[in-house]
Amino acid sequence: GAGVSQSPRYKVAKRGQDVALRCDPISGHVSLFWYQQALGQGPEFLTYFQNEAQLDKSGLPSDRFFAERPEGSVSTLKIQRTQQEDSAVYLCASSQLGQLPTYEQYFGPGTRLTVT
Amino acid sequence: DAKTTQPNSMESNEEEPVHLPCNHSTISGTDYIHWYRQLPSQGPEYVIHGLTSNVNNRMASLAIAEDRKSSTLILHRATLRDAAVYYCILRSAGGTSYGKLTFGQGTILTVHP
Repeated sequence: GAGVSQSPRYKVAKRGQDVALRCDPISGHVSLFWYQQALGQGPEFLTYFQNEAQLDKSGLPSDRFFAERPEGSVSTLKIQRTQQEDSAVYLCASSQLGQLPTYEQYFGPGTRLTVT
Repeated sequence: DAKTTQPNSMESNEEEPVHLPCNHSTISGTDYIHWYRQLPSQGPEYVIHGLTSNVNNRMASLAIAEDRKSSTLILHRATLRDAAVYYCILRSAGGTSYGKLTFGQGTILTVHP
C-alpha cells in the first residue's frame, strides 16, 4: 500500500523567505510526527499530532516554526523567515497509535531544505 | 529519557552475519528496545523491537541481555542493501513522551562485497 509521502522533496529558499512542507501520512494513522535531521546527525523530534490535536511541540526550535494538521490527515510544517541554520532534512512519520511503544513509525523520504 | 550507546561504525562482508551492539544501562522496566535503520537518502525504517525476550522477524533478530542493560541486533546474512545507519532507541510505555523517537548517532554499517 501507499506509504508516507512528503512534498516537495527538495526546496531551496533564500534567507528570509517562508516555506511550507507537506506530509501525507498513511491513511487511518492517528499519530503524526515531524523530525529535523541535520547533516551527519540523527533525526530530532520537532512536534507530534494525535489526529488534529498538536499534543507536543516541545522540539520546535523557535516561534518561526509552525505545524498544523487541521483535518487529522495531511500535515504542513511552516517555517517563517528562514535562516541558514534551518537547512536540514525534514522528516514526517505516521503511526497507527504512536503513543504506544509497540507501534512502529513509518517515515517518509523527507524534504531537504537548503537556505541560501 | 534513558540513553543508548552504540559504536560509531562497523564493517562486514557480504553474506556474513553482523552483530550490532547497543548498551542501555539505565533502561527502566517499561522501556521497549527498538531498532530503526536509515539507508542513504531515505527516511528511517523500523527493523525490530522487544521488551525482555529475544525476537525474530524477516529482517533481523534481537537478542536482549538477561539484565536488559544491553542488546544486539543480528543480521543473519548481510547484503549490500543492508548498508545503513542503525539506531537503537528506547521507547517508554508511560510518561508524556507521546511515542517520539530519540535518535542518537547510530552505527554506520558498511558491507563489503
